[in-house]
Amino acid sequence: AQSVTQLGSHVSVSEGALVLLRCNYSSSVPPYLFWYVQYPNQGLQLLLKYTTGATLVKGINGFEAEFKKSETSFHLTKPSAHMSDAAEYFCAVLPGYSSASKIIFGSGTRLSIRP
Amino acid sequence: GAVVSQHPSRVICKSGTSVKIECRSLDFQATTMFWYRQFPKQSLMLMATSNEGSKATYEQGVEKDKFLINHASLTLSTLTVTSAHPEDSSFYICSARVEGGIYNEQFFGPGTRLTVL
Repeated sequence: AQSVTQLGSHVSVSEGALVLLRCNYSSSVPPYLFWYVQYPNQGLQLLLKYTTGATLVKGINGFEAEFKKSETSFHLTKPSAHMSDAAEYFCAVLPGYSSASKIIFGSGTRLSIRP
Repeated sequence: GAVVSQHPSRVICKSGTSVKIECRSLDFQATTMFWYRQFPKQSLMLMATSNEGSKATYEQGVEKDKFLINHASLTLSTLTVTSAHPEDSSFYICSARVEGGIYNEQFFGPGTRLTVL
């Protein structure tokens, strides 16, 4: 079965510090992987995605993630946190290429930024 | 990227009434749309998959008679919460899928906050 595990429901970092949000997945077929950000009372905004090719993916707002097949991980990082990064972050996996595939979301990680 | 809109963004209704939420793909045609429900501080839960011109496919545990889904055109899907009750209060998010390309990318609407009194 396909699944996504986000370690840590809440992460707090100081402004300017490194942000690391962890995501591990389980998929029986080569997955597509995503990170979404959700601000309060808003929908999901795509931060970045991995489909094929380069395993280090750069997204918006200075975020990046690296697909590590051997570790089944897709951790999200940002070198220097900004106050505006405070939000809920969801890792997601789309197992397979068929039109029947459905996105599976992790449970989310709330990122807080300390001044 | 493609834009998905939802209307209304927020609705408050009395218990027992029905509420309709619209989801539109503004600049692309979506053969498939998805409806999600999100409880406070939780992840998105897929309720149903809506295909244009056919009946929606509901996830296990979702009452199809309670949550009526219509996908009448390639740019519009509606979710009607019938005889709403306070436990139906939630954040509802739709998503539309662009077919083809490297993969079938989904774009998400801004969500609709439903409060049932």
